[in-house]
Amino acid sequence: DQQVKQNSPSLSVQEGRISILNCDYTNSMFDYFLWYKKYPAEGPTFLISISSIKDKNEDGRFTVFLNKSAKHLSLHIVPSQPGDSAVYFCAAIKGDDKIIFGKGTRLHILP
Amino acid sequence: DAGITQSPRHKVTETGTPVTLRCHQTENHRYMYWYRQDPGHGLRLIHYSYGVKDTDKGEVSDGYSVSRSKTEDFLLTLESATSSQTSVYFCAISESDREDEAFFGQGTRLTVV
Repeated sequence: DQQVKQNSPSLSVQEGRISILNCDYTNSMFDYFLWYKKYPAEGPTFLISISSIKDKNEDGRFTVFLNKSAKHLSLHIVPSQPGDSAVYFCAAIKGDDKIIFGKGTRLHILP
Repeated sequence: DAGITQSPRHKVTETGTPVTLRCHQTENHRYMYWYRQDPGHGLRLIHYSYGVKDTDKGEVSDGYSVSRSKTEDFLLTLESATSSQTSVYFCAISESDREDEAFFGQGTRLTVV
């Protein structure tokens, strides 16, 4: 029973356009959400996070939006660059519990 | 790379053999984690450690054991490897108990044939 769902295994976006990666969750008790980025043969690296008391967090080209009523969050990358091609994991935490990761979405930035 | 080294980086082993993966850190962080990453599953926590000789189970601990005899080393052992344990294994470290502040190693690709 997946608590954090990334329903798109892959996504292709033209360079310079906006990339939108989506994530849905089932547990309304999650209070902190994160996005990680992973390149091949490397470990995941933390990208951006958002607390459940906020609905938006922005860091440079990356913005995460949280819609608690829909139990949905999204990561926007604007403008998309070739180096953004990677696998992106959505993750969520409830209190002191361990992180729950989604399956990941592979983003391809097309030239 | 936050001072984490995983060894080996790649290993092929036969079903039924014991395998030990090593995670070594130079950051003196208290918390260490072992995850596995599989297609269609994302990352799942196997075991974690909150200090020397202090370990606990994660989501997918069956078939795995760990040991932490020194702050800098966290060993993951597959007592009798099975094909279902073919995966990429990631170690992570964090200074606090905030798992979201952890840094990941580069991973170990294990193939059990």
